Amino acid sequence: GNSVTQMEGPVTLSEEAFLTINCTYTATGYPSLFWYVQYPGEGLQLLLKATKADDKGSNKGFEATYRKETTSFHLEKGSVQVSDSAVYFCALHGSSNTGKLIFGQGTTLQVKP
Amino acid sequence: DGGITQSPKYLFRKEGQNVTLSCEQNLNHDAMYWYRQDPGQGLRLIYYSQIVNDFQKGDIAEGYSVSREKKESFPLTVTSAQKNPTAFYLCASSIGGGRANVLTFGAGSRLTVL
Repeated sequence: GNSVTQMEGPVTLSEEAFLTINCTYTATGYPSLFWYVQYPGEGLQLLLKATKADDKGSNKGFEATYRKETTSFHLEKGSVQVSDSAVYFCALHGSSNTGKLIFGQGTTLQVKP
Repeated sequence: DGGITQSPKYLFRKEGQNVTLSCEQNLNHDAMYWYRQDPGQGLRLIYYSQIVNDFQKGDIAEGYSVSREKKESFPLTVTSAQKNPTAFYLCASSIGGGRANVLTFGAGSRLTVL
């Protein structure tokens, strides 16, 4: 079945450091891929998405490229801020039309000033 | 502003009691979902509904029940049959079931069993 695997957290960085959070997936067909972010005590918000191979999603300085050959969708940001501290979830939507998302386990990012 | 409202934000329950979590959306979305979040386990799907008066079990439906009598409302009941109900519950909605559709989430309800 479909699944998503994220790198273990927590990830602790200093402000202005480069961020990479790894995400790999297993799916049949051509899934859509998403990154969601969860700030403390809140629900999830969409950060970015990509719907086909080689698409790059971007938002708020974050980027991720849909790599079908490596089944990956790694999240990157060139210079993190303290306000980026949150939990980041990679997710996929498979080929069905149910709208269901399959989530990775989440990666906690802590950025120190 | 359109969005999803979950209530209550915090809920305490004694063992053996049923509790109902409310989820209301004013986005005119057809599809609604309930996810459960536990530390280190990501989100797991409990139930989902693509249209009024219809819903399907997700991956962990045992011990839960839902109804979808109105388009804007999708309440979740945590029954006494749920063996480990303490968790953070998230409701979401989307325009439909298309593979590129984005889910909009509520702020969540934290249930603690005493």
